[in-house]
This record gives sequence, C-alpha cells and structure tokens, in this order.
Amino acid sequence: AQSVTQPDIHITVSEGASLELRCNYSYGATPYLFWYVQSPGQGLQLLLKYFSGDTLVQGIKGFEAEFKRSQSSFNLRKPSVHWSDAAEYFCALDSDMRFGAGTRLTVKP
Amino acid sequence: DGGITQSPKYLFRKEGQNVTLSCEQNLNHDAMYWYRQDPGQGLRLIYYSQIVNDFQKGDIAEGYSVSREKKESFPLTVTSAQKNPTAFYLCASSSSDRVLNSPLHFGNGTRLTVT
Repeated sequence: AQSVTQPDIHITVSEGASLELRCNYSYGATPYLFWYVQSPGQGLQLLLKYFSGDTLVQGIKGFEAEFKRSQSSFNLRKPSVHWSDAAEYFCALDSDMRFGAGTRLTVKP
Repeated sequence: DGGITQSPKYLFRKEGQNVTLSCEQNLNHDAMYWYRQDPGQGLRLIYYSQIVNDFQKGDIAEGYSVSREKKESFPLTVTSAQKNPTAFYLCASSSSDRVLNSPLHFGNGTRLTVT
C-alpha cells in the first residue's frame, strides 16, 4: 500500500540554523514526491517535486530535498532558516496525493 | 491571475443542517479534489474528480457529497450524516487526472464550525 510518513510532528530551530524535515514513503515503484508548505489558515504551496533523475531537487525559498531510494526517504533541507519559514510542511506521494501528517516548524529568534 | 477560490472563508452551521462549500478554479484544470484537515492528521482525501460529471470517493467520503457539472466548479456538501463536520476544508486542482507531472494547486480553505 502507498503511504507517506512524517515522523516529526513539531520541530523548533533557531533562526539561522540548518533544518532537515523527514519524510519516508512506501511505494512499489519509482515514487513521485512533493513537499508543500502551509501558512496558518491558508492553502498549501508547492516547494519542490521529484519525478526522476537527479536525486537532489532544488525548490523555492532556498529549500532542497534529497531522494534516497535505499532509505525510502525524501527529506527536506534548508541551510539557514529564516523566521518567515515558520509554517507547517507536508510531504506528499504520487498521483493520488496521499499526504503525511505534517511537521510544524517553529523558528526561535 | 488564475487560481482557486473557496468561499466562504468561515462558515457556521447548526448541527443537523446540510452545508455546501464552494470551490471554483479558472486554471482550466481537469482534476479537482477536496481534502479535510484536522490538527495532527494532515490532509485526508474526501472526494476527487478527474473529469466533468464523474467523481470518486476518497478515504473519508462518508457524510459528504459532491457534484461536477462544470469543469471549473466542484462544490462539496457536508451532510447531517457527517458525525464530526467541524474542520478546515481545502479544495485543490491539477492539470491531469494523475499528477505524475502536475502538482496540486490549492485554495485558501474554508473553516467550517458546526455547533
């Protein structure tokens, strides 16, 4: 069965620190994976997507994600977090768009 | 600018009443989706439609109904049979029935409160 798991419900980082949000998937073939960001009370915005090819994917707002087939992971990273990055982040899998439960990011000044 | 419009942003209803949430898109997308969002549970798929006059149940369709009479519109009715209707509802669309190369575009959501 297809599924996506985000193990961390809530993460707090200091402004300027690096960030990594975890996403694990279960899928029988090559997955198509997405990361979205949601500000409070808003819809979701696409950060980046992976379909094939290079395993390191660049997105908007300075985010990147690395696809690791051996670990069934697609973790989101950012080298230096800004206060405006505080939001909820969702990983999503493939065409029926199953979403993880989300990770809420808090940024400390 | 093209986009998805959900209205209203906030909706209040008494228990036992049906309520319809509006979703309109001018992106010329074929596929449209309804999700429900509850704290700590992420997004759960209610219904989706790949083409006009056709739609399929998602994971939590019980207590909900939809129609797709026009390409640009996909209204969701929350019926009195839905046991816990209070939630944040998100509508989305994509340019094909399978988003192999097309991400979802989301509206800004409708927060429904039923008392």
